[in-house]
Amino acid sequence: NAGVTQTPKFRVLKTGQSMTLLCAQDMNHEYMYWYRQDPGMGLRLIHYSVGEGTTAKGEVPDGYNVSRLKKQNFLLGLESAAPSQTSVYFCASSYQQRNQPQHFGDGTRLSIL
Amino acid sequence: AQKITQTQPGMFVQEKEAVTLDCTYDTSDPSYGLFWYKQPSSGEMIFLIYQGSYDQQNATEGRYSLNFQKARKSANLVISASQLGDSAMYFCAMREGMGGGYQKVTFGTGTKLQVIP
Repeated sequence: NAGVTQTPKFRVLKTGQSMTLLCAQDMNHEYMYWYRQDPGMGLRLIHYSVGEGTTAKGEVPDGYNVSRLKKQNFLLGLESAAPSQTSVYFCASSYQQRNQPQHFGDGTRLSIL
Repeated sequence: AQKITQTQPGMFVQEKEAVTLDCTYDTSDPSYGLFWYKQPSSGEMIFLIYQGSYDQQNATEGRYSLNFQKARKSANLVISASQLGDSAMYFCAMREGMGGGYQKVTFGTGTKLQVIP
């Protein structure tokens, strides 16, 4: 069972470069999320989506854009990478019911030099 | 104000003993859910246990139980008979309604548990 798949797993960028992180889920979940995890700060929500074609800002959206053209995919873009965006990025998905847990990908470790 | 507070950055426990990881939360939504996740050193996030705000009994899942005290807004995770494989970061999270059907999920900063042989 694939669950939530993130690509790539590791990436090193130079300041100013752009890239897209890919997230795919095969559980037919309505909701999808992008988080970043930094030491001592837990997981902070970047953007989320409640369905195909819809996206919304989380608590730390600046510098990131997202798209959800298909229900199973959620893309996170960095248009002009900055060293402050060095982090571990997690994608998650869930059903919309309140008692449903989030299912996470394995994370993408991104370094911006 | 923090939505989810985990006051123990790190804890040690002797193998085979029980340990309690603290979590307090803040919400005005009467219908919410509380979750605990485990993150081993390998990095993946693993769902452990869920407690709904209307659940009358404390949730249990194997060696994991949730000590839910609604009036005190606390949802502590209890791990019984600790094993070396329990060494990990543990995150408390809350799912609450934000209107328009979307439920926001907020995570605490985590507690790093180390099990000593």
